[in-house]
Amino acid sequence: SAVISQKPSRDICQRGTSLTIQCQVDSQVTMMFWYRQQPGQSLTLIATANQGSEATYESGFVIDKFPISRPNLTFSTLTVSNMSPEDSSIYLCSANIQSGANVLTFGAGSRLTVL
Amino acid sequence: KQEVTQIPAALSVPEGENLVLNCSFTDSAIYNLQWFRQDPGKGLTSLLLIQSSQREQTSGRLNASLDKSSGRSTLYIAASQPGDSATYLCAVMDSSYKLIFGSGTRLLVRP
Repeated sequence: SAVISQKPSRDICQRGTSLTIQCQVDSQVTMMFWYRQQPGQSLTLIATANQGSEATYESGFVIDKFPISRPNLTFSTLTVSNMSPEDSSIYLCSANIQSGANVLTFGAGSRLTVL
Repeated sequence: KQEVTQIPAALSVPEGENLVLNCSFTDSAIYNLQWFRQDPGKGLTSLLLIQSSQREQTSGRLNASLDKSSGRSTLYIAASQPGDSATYLCAVMDSSYKLIFGSGTRLLVRP
């Protein structure tokens, strides 16, 4: 079955720096989604990334803080900019990789710790 | 705006008990509802998927029901085991193909 790969799997970052998370899908998909899971919390949708257009952000998330790229149908990146300890979370990428089914599959996540 | 609520937030039961986890959602215009399991420090494991036209799905000791008109779903776990201890997340796919998650139920099954 198709796979979603994320990297890095985890990282420790310094306050004020930025980190880019990569998401690779081994099949072409129209929409990719980025989620955040803060410690002890559930998953919150950050944005929807469509190839060929700007990402659509959910309420509370802005492009300056979480710029997203979607250069082709198999790849996307999420950057967490100017990080603070409050950005310490797991960031997950997901996509509908099952043809004909409205089912999202998730990557294993990228666990960021900001000191 | 779709909102998903899960009750209870936490549950502790002795091994062998049957238990029910509840999920409710505010907008019945959904494509499907999915139950996930998440172990501490791990990713998501999909347990059951119910399409909007279906009423229930079963997998082993798990049974999930869906009442779309009332905005409710339940996950029934039969004969619980310590290995069932995890956080269970309910999520609905809305009309924009976004998956909206509930806050989860933390389950502890005591030996």
